[in-house]
This record gives sequence, structure tokens and C-alpha cells, in this order.
Amino acid sequence: NAGVTQTPKFRILKIGQSMTLQCTQDMNHNYMYWYRQDPGMGLKLIYYSVGAGITDKGEVPNGYNVSRSTTEDFPLRLELAAPSQTSVYFCATQNRGYEQYFGPGTRLTVT
Amino acid sequence: AQKVTQAQTEISVVEKEDVTLDCVYETRDTTYYLFWYKQPPSGELVFLIRRNSFDEQNEISGRYSWNFQKSTSSFNFTITASQVVDSAVYFCALSEAQEYGNKLVFGAGTILRVKS
Repeated sequence: NAGVTQTPKFRILKIGQSMTLQCTQDMNHNYMYWYRQDPGMGLKLIYYSVGAGITDKGEVPNGYNVSRSTTEDFPLRLELAAPSQTSVYFCATQNRGYEQYFGPGTRLTVT
Repeated sequence: AQKVTQAQTEISVVEKEDVTLDCVYETRDTTYYLFWYKQPPSGELVFLIRRNSFDEQNEISGRYSWNFQKSTSSFNFTITASQVVDSAVYFCALSEAQEYGNKLVFGAGTILRVKS
């Protein structure tokens, strides 16, 4: 089992560009989450999904969009990238025991 | 609103010392879950423990132990006989029982440096 995989690992964007961060899981978990981690801070929830076709906003959703067409995939879309979106992005899944398992992260720099 | 406070920004210890990482939380719910995660220098987040609000038993796992006290809203984490490999950022997190999803609120983290 690969668990939770994220691509790319690193990315540099110019202001105003767009990109999609990919997240795939092979654990058949219904719940998936996107967090961002700013330097020296804890993680903050961007969006989450309780199953295919169902998504909802977290604490910091502005500037992002998500979709969930399959159980396995939960991509995060950044439109019109801004320097404030420079961060490390983590995708996570949750099992029935409320435990969340995280991917390796994507380090994004917007300049 | 939920809140998690990890007052210790950074702790440095010498190998084999015991160290306790503090976590204080705020929630209005009576049913909630508390977690600890480890983030080593490689950057991934490693799940360590989950504790339910209705289970105040302390837990020990090898050199790790957790002290959950509802009376003081604390969920502290102790590493006994610390090792260099314990060097990492440790996050405490809280989630309230919700119908859909389980949104984690994280503390700011405590950097633990274990010197040989």
C-alpha cells in the first residue's frame, strides 16, 4: 500500500499562475482533507471531503478549489496564485477510528 | 470555538533526559478527540496517538506516555530517556465530534531538539 501520495513534491509558481496539487490514496477511506502549513505554524484546514461528490470548506478556503470525483483522488486547485499561498500543502485521509494519515506534502513557492 | 495551545515553542534536552510536551485545549463540546503527531526533519506527519474525551486513562507506548486531564483541559506528552531520533516538531490537535468530517485544529507545535 502506498498510502497517501502527493504530486508534485516541489513547485515554484509565478504570481497569477494556476496549478493543481494532486492527492491519491489507496486505503479506501471516505474522508479526505487538505491542509496548509506555514513556517513555524501548525496546519490549517483548507477543504475536506466526506466522499465522492461531497466537499466542504475548512478554515482557510479562499483562493482554492477542490473536487472529488472518485474515492481515491482529491485534487486541490490554486487559481491566480499569490505570495500568501507560499506554504507546504498536506493531503490526509481518515479512517473510521478518526485517525488522519498524511501524505508527504507539496512545498509551493509563489514569487 | 476550538483552540489548542502549545506554550513551549522549543525545548532542548540532552540524550537520556525525560521531556514533557504540554498541550492545553479549549472546546465547548463534551465529545471530542485529541491527537499527537510527530513531524521529523524529513517533513512528513506521523500519527502517534488518539484519545477520546470520555477516556481519561493515561497511556504508555514504549518510551512515550500521555497524560490526559479533563479537569485542566490538558493532554501532555512525555518522552522517557529521549534519543536523538526523537528530534522533531510535535503537534497536538483537537477535533470535535461532527456529523460529517473530522476537522482537526492544530497547535503551533513544539520543536524538540535532543542532543547527544
